Amino acid sequence: KQEVTQIPAALSVPEGENLVLNCSFTDSAIYNLQWFRQDPGKGLTSLLLIQSSQREQTSGRLNASLDKSSGRSTLYIAASQPGDSATYLCAVPPLNFGNEKLTFGTGTRLTIIP
Amino acid sequence: KAGVTQTPRYLIKTRGQQVTLSCSPISGHRSVSWYQQTPGQGLQFLFEYFSETQRNKGNFPGRFSGRQFSNSRSEMNVSTLELGDSALYLCASSLGAGGNSPLHFGNGTRLTVT
Repeated sequence: KQEVTQIPAALSVPEGENLVLNCSFTDSAIYNLQWFRQDPGKGLTSLLLIQSSQREQTSGRLNASLDKSSGRSTLYIAASQPGDSATYLCAVPPLNFGNEKLTFGTGTRLTIIP
Repeated sequence: KAGVTQTPRYLIKTRGQQVTLSCSPISGHRSVSWYQQTPGQGLQFLFEYFSETQRNKGNFPGRFSGRQFSNSRSEMNVSTLELGDSALYLCASSLGAGGNSPLHFGNGTRLTVT
């Protein structure tokens, strides 16, 4: 069974700093890996989707990397802003497509200090 | 293009009652999946519907059921509510079924069972 871990559970950094969020998964047989952000009381907003054949994907100040062999992904946020404060979740769908469409990590709660 | 719409946003119910939640996917999306989010368990997959057929189901009791209509709108029903059913219920839509279509989430329905 796929297990997805995100460490740390919470992170606080001063505004303007660059930061990296981590995501680990146990089963490398994945279609892709998706990063989401969730604001308090809201749904999830898709940030980046990396296909299993890709190594990284970029959108604005965000860059996500994927290393399937080691079961790791990172989300790099450049020049952090207070608006980046949210919970960030990674999620992977299984290749064998058992009874779960996506397995989510437990998330990293990010706080950017003005 | 309108996003995923979930109604209602908030619900308060009493133990033993039943509840129906609604989800309207993005126009053109044929897959709708449902997730339960709680502080203790995180995000857990409930079920997925594609073209009015349930394709996958998570590890939830039979009190949780759903359906999808010909216009791709979906409803989720929970019968004989328990206190532990209090959660944020999120609906997500995607173009296709399977794990390779990016998911787009609604803002969720916050269910409180008293």
